[in-house]
Amino acid sequence: TQLLEQSPQFLSIQEGENLTVYCNSSSVFSSLQWYRQEPGEGPVLLVTVVTGGEVKKLKRLTFQFGDARKDSSLHITAAQPGDTGLYLCAGERSAGNNRKLIWGLGTSLAVNP
Amino acid sequence: SQTIHQWPATLVQPVGSPLSLECTVEGTSNPNLYWYRQAAGRGLQLLFYSVGIGQISSEVPQNLSASRPQDRQFILSSKKLLLSDSGFYLCAWSRRGVLGYTFGSGTRLTVV
Repeated sequence: TQLLEQSPQFLSIQEGENLTVYCNSSSVFSSLQWYRQEPGEGPVLLVTVVTGGEVKKLKRLTFQFGDARKDSSLHITAAQPGDTGLYLCAGERSAGNNRKLIWGLGTSLAVNP
Repeated sequence: SQTIHQWPATLVQPVGSPLSLECTVEGTSNPNLYWYRQAAGRGLQLLFYSVGIGQISSEVPQNLSASRPQDRQFILSSKKLLLSDSGFYLCAWSRRGVLGYTFGSGTRLTVV
């Protein structure tokens, strides 16, 4: 059972278009992280959201954490070829001193020039 | 600044051979350390994590083991590799109380 569903799995768009990718769960997370991974490299942390309803912006990227802290979205404005990569979300669940990170399977984005 | 080194970048090993992948972190002390495997460029599966020297927690039963002989060194090993051990192995570290992981550049392991 995949606890974090990411959609779409694949997305191919033209440079300049806008897009939104989603990360959904039926579970509540204490925080949620977004990473971007390029082929042959490790994931790179983009942002962490903690508070329900929180919105964070990173240049053309806008991240939102759902009010109930069960879902998140990433919106990219005017996508560029450099945005190409695998976007992974990871939710953190805490139980006492035990903190566990649950990973989605990712959205593979291709931005064509 | 903190950096994480992981090597080798690629490795081709025959079935039944041993494995040793090394990961070191610089610029921080007492990090949490993690070994992940990623199949087909998709989701990450946590294999091992460590909160201190000699302290290893295993998330899934498998043919692999991990050790932390020094504070900033994390080693992934196998005595006899299986074909199913092929994959992209990632080491990561995090600072206690701080959200977010920093990943190494990964090792592409192909067992033939």
